[in-house]
Amino acid sequence: QKEVEQDPGPLSVPEGAIVSLNCTYSNSAFQYFMWYRQYSRKGPELLMYTYSSGNKEDGRFTAQVDKSSKYISLFIRDSQPSDSATYLCAMIPGGTSYGKLTFGQGTILTVHP
Amino acid sequence: DTGVSQNPRHKITKRGQNVTFRCDPISEHNRLYWYRQTLGQGPEFLTYFQNEAQLEKSRLLSDRFSAERPKGSFSTLEIQRTEQGDSAMYLCASSLAPRLAGSDTQYFGPGTRLTVL
Repeated sequence: QKEVEQDPGPLSVPEGAIVSLNCTYSNSAFQYFMWYRQYSRKGPELLMYTYSSGNKEDGRFTAQVDKSSKYISLFIRDSQPSDSATYLCAMIPGGTSYGKLTFGQGTILTVHP
Repeated sequence: DTGVSQNPRHKITKRGQNVTFRCDPISEHNRLYWYRQTLGQGPEFLTYFQNEAQLEKSRLLSDRFSAERPKGSFSTLEIQRTEQGDSAMYLCASSLAPRLAGSDTQYFGPGTRLTVL
């Protein structure tokens, strides 16, 4: 079993929809949680970064972390065709001196006009 | 462009050949990471440098793989005697060690796509 599980999709939504992307994890040591966006044939780009449990909002994006359930989410409001990409969750254990990322499989999202 | 750069972007080689990839991090970043990403999967950690010191290597990094970061600037990843299973995207990321406890923010390059025939 992988440490981080993510539904690969693909997920297809109409423009303007609210998108919910999720990851579960098994390692309770994870303390730092990120969401990356990766366009085809490009490197991942950091979207959101959160520490421990709670919510964080940045424009149309909201990240939620529920450590008690070992579950994290990314919500995209008013989705746009330019949001079409692969979304990767990533995590780092607390107490480490550097950022060795453990990624989920990635969810492929398509937003159609 | 002041982001992370990687060269070449694509490499096609025959099984058994050696290949070398280069990563140029963001100039003030002292941390450098290599990851490997296969089709339909998330990136997997390979190795990590703090300045010129290689501080961790994943079990994924077999003896055929070697990475260097001379003078703490650019880094190279070499694969000897390539195998078809080495076909993947090789990603480099760099970051600046945070002053306070907590994790650093990694910035990824565009990757080098390796195809082993």
